Amino acid sequence: AQTVTQSQPEMSVQEAETVTLSCTYDTSENNYYLFWYKQPPSRQMILVIRQEAYKQQNATENRFSVNFQKAAKSFSLKISDSQLGDTAMYFCAFMNTNAGKSTFGDGTTLTVKP
Amino acid sequence: EAGVAQSPRYKIIEKRQSVAFWCNPISGHATLYWYQQILGQGPKLLIQFQNNGVVDDSQLPKDRFSAERLKGVDSTLKIQPAKLEDSAVYLCASSFWGDSGNTIYFGEGSWLTVV
Repeated sequence: AQTVTQSQPEMSVQEAETVTLSCTYDTSENNYYLFWYKQPPSRQMILVIRQEAYKQQNATENRFSVNFQKAAKSFSLKISDSQLGDTAMYFCAFMNTNAGKSTFGDGTTLTVKP
Repeated sequence: EAGVAQSPRYKIIEKRQSVAFWCNPISGHATLYWYQQILGQGPKLLIQFQNNGVVDDSQLPKDRFSAERLKGVDSTLKIQPAKLEDSAVYLCASSFWGDSGNTIYFGEGSWLTVV
């Protein structure tokens, strides 16, 4: 069974600064997908960024980028130029390639301060 | 493109009563998920369907929870009888399992309060 661990329950950052959210996972599989999801106070979960494990290049999406370290089973999210709208709960998620079974971490609550 | 639709959005019931939640996934998505999210925690997978077959229901409390996906499209999650600890948000999600990506798309959730 896969596990996903987010060791930072809460974080805060000043507007316009950079913040990194940590995620580690455990799996015996070689190929899989990793995701970061954002859940604002309105509660709808929104995809931020995804990474295929077979790709060595780290995924980027505008101000969001990941540091994927496959050997260390680490998948951190970097948010650059933080904005007030980035305030939300962020979840790291793992999906295997066998029928798409998914596991989510317990989340990190990020507050962006003006 | 329409997103994942869920209803009702909010429900308050007394313990031992029953409740049903409905979900309509994104058109063309063969995979449908039901998650339970307790306040302050991450989503916990209850059941996963591929078309109308069950892929994973290992964490579904089968003595009180049931789910079905008729004709491989809409799905219903039922709780009977409800317990206080069932108070949570029930998230329905869907994904297209294919080369174009396996992103899970979520609905807005159904908030359940059991009193």
